[in-house]
Amino acid sequence: EVQLVESGGGLVQPGGSLRLSCAVSGFRFSDHYMDWVRQTPGKGLEWVGRIRHKVGSYITEYAPSVKGRFTISRDDSKSSLYLQMNSLNTEDTAVYYCVRAVLHRNWNFDLWGRGTLVTVSS
Amino acid sequence: QSVLTQPPSVSGAPGQRVTISCTGINSNLGAGYDVHWYQQLPRTAPKLLIYGDTNRPSGVPDRFSGSKSGTSASLAITGLQAEDEADYYCQSYDNSLSAYVFGTGTTVTVL
Repeated sequence: EVQLVESGGGLVQPGGSLRLSCAVSGFRFSDHYMDWVRQTPGKGLEWVGRIRHKVGSYITEYAPSVKGRFTISRDDSKSSLYLQMNSLNTEDTAVYYCVRAVLHRNWNFDLWGRGTLVTVSS
Repeated sequence: QSVLTQPPSVSGAPGQRVTISCTGINSNLGAGYDVHWYQQLPRTAPKLLIYGDTNRPSGVPDRFSGSKSGTSASLAITGLQAEDEADYYCQSYDNSLSAYVFGTGTTVTVL
């Protein structure tokens, strides 16, 4: 059974940091590009960023809104994806989803975790 | 930020056909990038419904179909069922933002 299970969400103060994790099972994690997508009540779904696989040199890409503050990493030996979030502000409050990206002419997101809630508030 | 525009809501009676539009601009749909559609049932994560404009993943009923032309795309649901009540999002790539972008989302209500 395919599973993507996020963890690490919670309440953090503005300016603080948080690290999210995503444990993957049911498919060969190391073969795939992996992304983070977040969802807020006000802004809907927003792509956060991506990390390529080893063949892709683990290159990362980020949305303009998080570039320089967020860092995506992965540990293929643990089939795990990570999102390090620094300098958090209230606009980062959202449910964060770990997603698998697949290529069919263009990239889409074919597998999603259940998400973990991050609340940035004083 | 959502750069693909969708109607906030659509509704229909069971068995009817409803369509959801997704309007973009020249840097996303108009540039030839594919549109993909996701269904989000209440209190669950989004699920891939249509990929590459018109393709259904395994297990998605053929009641769901997608189309795209120029800067617009549409998702059609024929033979509407109560279980189709959900939020629907379109998604593509925008080369001016260098980012993947989602639509504003549409809530489908079965009357």
